[in-house]
Amino acid sequence: ILNVEQSPQSLHVQEGDSTNFTCSFPSSNFYALHWYRWETAKSPEALFVMTLNGDEKKKGRISATLNTKEGYSYLYIKGSQPEDSATYLCAFSHTDKLIFGTGTRLQVFP
Amino acid sequence: KAGVTQTPRYLIKTRGQQVTLSCSPISGHRSVSWYQQTPGQGLQFLFEYFSETQRNKGNFPGRFSGRQFSNSRSEMNVSTLELGDSALYLCASSLWAGSYNEQFFGPGTRLTVL
Repeated sequence: ILNVEQSPQSLHVQEGDSTNFTCSFPSSNFYALHWYRWETAKSPEALFVMTLNGDEKKKGRISATLNTKEGYSYLYIKGSQPEDSATYLCAFSHTDKLIFGTGTRLQVFP
Repeated sequence: KAGVTQTPRYLIKTRGQQVTLSCSPISGHRSVSWYQQTPGQGLQFLFEYFSETQRNKGNFPGRFSGRQFSNSRSEMNVSTLELGDSALYLCASSLWAGSYNEQFFGPGTRLTVL
């Protein structure tokens, strides 16, 4: 059974702190790795789609790296703000299906 | 550009009934995927439709079916509802088929089975 694991499950940080979380996935038959942000009562929003080993992507204060050989991706948030509070999901593309992790729930306190 | 829309947003049904959920993708998007989320589980892939054809299917029983129309709108049907089908059902659209494409999610339909 293919598994995508995200850690930690939840995280509480102070405004201004930088934080990072991990997504681990099977390193064989890799097609792509997606990151989504899912705020309560809203739709999941795509952050990044990463396809190449060593890929680094950035959007504002959020960045992600990808290591397909060892099967992990890191998501970094620099200077967290209360509006960053959300669940961050990663999804691994296997045989053209997306397999999602259960997410990291981030709470940023002012 | 309007986003992905799903109707209805909330639904209450009883065991044994059937239900149809609807998803309208972003204009120009031809691929629609469906996902189920139950408490404590990640999003589980149900199926993907592209150009009116089911091109991929997850591990769900045959009670779960779907279709896509020529305007790319998609419907998902669940027959003989069970209590365990209570979940949030999300659809996502993308320009092209294939899970390496960025997906745009709708707000979901919350189904409760009593």
